[in-house]
Amino acid sequence: EVQLVESGGGLVQPGRSLRLSCAASGFTFDDYAMHWVRQAPGKGLEWVSGISWNSGSIGYADSVKGRFTISRDNAKNSLYLQMNSLRAEDTALYYCAKGPARLWFRGGYFDYWGQGTLVTVSS
Amino acid sequence: QSVLTQPPSVSAAPGQKVTISCSGSSSNIGNNYVSWYQQLPGTAPKLLIYENNKRPSGIPDRFSGSKSGTSATLGITGLQTGDEADYYCGTWDSSLSAMVFGTGTKVTVL
Repeated sequence: EVQLVESGGGLVQPGRSLRLSCAASGFTFDDYAMHWVRQAPGKGLEWVSGISWNSGSIGYADSVKGRFTISRDNAKNSLYLQMNSLRAEDTALYYCAKGPARLWFRGGYFDYWGQGTLVTVSS
Repeated sequence: QSVLTQPPSVSAAPGQKVTISCSGSSSNIGNNYVSWYQQLPGTAPKLLIYENNKRPSGIPDRFSGSKSGTSATLGITGLQTGDEADYYCGTWDSSLSAMVFGTGTKVTVL
């Protein structure tokens, strides 16, 4: 059974940093691209970032480019999101999601999702 | 803002059928596969349809997907109270080099 478990969320002041983690199990982690998708309270889904199976290709939404960094550790079956210079508009539930292919820009969908970790940016 | 447009809400009685539209452009739906997700209240999204019309294992055939030009449609037949949820379409956008989602549609069973 595929499981994705996010952690690292919390309350953080504007301008500060936070690092999210996602522990994966139930599939061969280093065979697939992984993504972060977020959902602001009461709002829709927004893709944040994707990373290919070997970290060789990475993509970001314009809204986070230059502030967020996605990474993965295949030896630990883990995905990360380093979030710097946080803003109030980054407040959201952050989901870890699995892609169907090795490259993050292939497939065009997310076949498994975690339960999310809540990030609140407020002073 | 989302680049894919969905109706905010649709509703129907139990047993009836609803359809949800997803409108985009040539840079997204027009030239890429569409997926659909169901988000039950308080839970994570779940993949319902991928590659326009394919259902993952375990998804009942009451759910169907189609695509024509720059629009896609999700159909739900035999509507059940357990189908009350938010539904999102998604696809790749070649101009943005990003995954994009629709605005979301709330399905209500009357």
